[in-house]
Amino acid sequence: DIQMTQSPSSLSASVGDRVTITCRASQSISSYLNWYQQKPGKAPKLLIYAASSLQSGVPSRFSGSGSGTDFTLTISSLQPEDFATYYCQQSYSTLCSFGQGTKLEIK
Amino acid sequence: QVQLQESGPGLVKPSGTLSLTCAVSGGSISSSNWWSWVRQPPGKGLEWIGEIYHSGSTNYNPSLKSRVTISVDKSKNQFSLKLSSVTAADTAVYYCARDLRPAYGSGSRFDYWGQGTLVTVSS
Repeated sequence: DIQMTQSPSSLSASVGDRVTITCRASQSISSYLNWYQQKPGKAPKLLIYAASSLQSGVPSRFSGSGSGTDFTLTISSLQPEDFATYYCQQSYSTLCSFGQGTKLEIK
Repeated sequence: QVQLQESGPGLVKPSGTLSLTCAVSGGSISSSNWWSWVRQPPGKGLEWIGEIYHSGSTNYNPSLKSRVTISVDKSKNQFSLKLSSVTAADTAVYYCARDLRPAYGSGSRFDYWGQGTLVTVSS
């Protein structure tokens, strides 16, 4: 199984900050990496797929990069609605797996 | 706009079988997508349970494979999850989701999700 490890597990930031979340795979997954945002009591929302492609309707302040085993999600200028939990997901294997999540909180 | 809606009992007894259905609207379950179940224990992360294609092909998480059955009913445009021999560890919010992975190969991504349904395993 491919293990996904996110860092940090939690993060405090202010509106307007630039934020980066990291996801590492236990083996190379090429660019088969997606990012989701989840708010309390809601289903996850797809933000980025194939490591760097922006899902339709997602603001351009969200961006993704990386390949192989190391990936990043960057929010260029935090907005109040961005405070949520973020998950990475590898889609290299039929058995897809998620990172443990990064909770982004207001400082 | 595709919409997914989970339904089923919110309380299941230990050793019983959890049964959920996901109704798909705004699109056909026979389209070129996989259809998945994902769960999330309270306060924890996401776990992929398994998936089904409209042909009936399935893939399951090996950690749950012995207890999971996913089926599709094309006439009702819905798919279903059965999880047997449940314990308290199966208490979670269960989501159904559309997966854009091609019929063969890698590249899953879940673009539409149901709102989720909490299933509690308790006597």
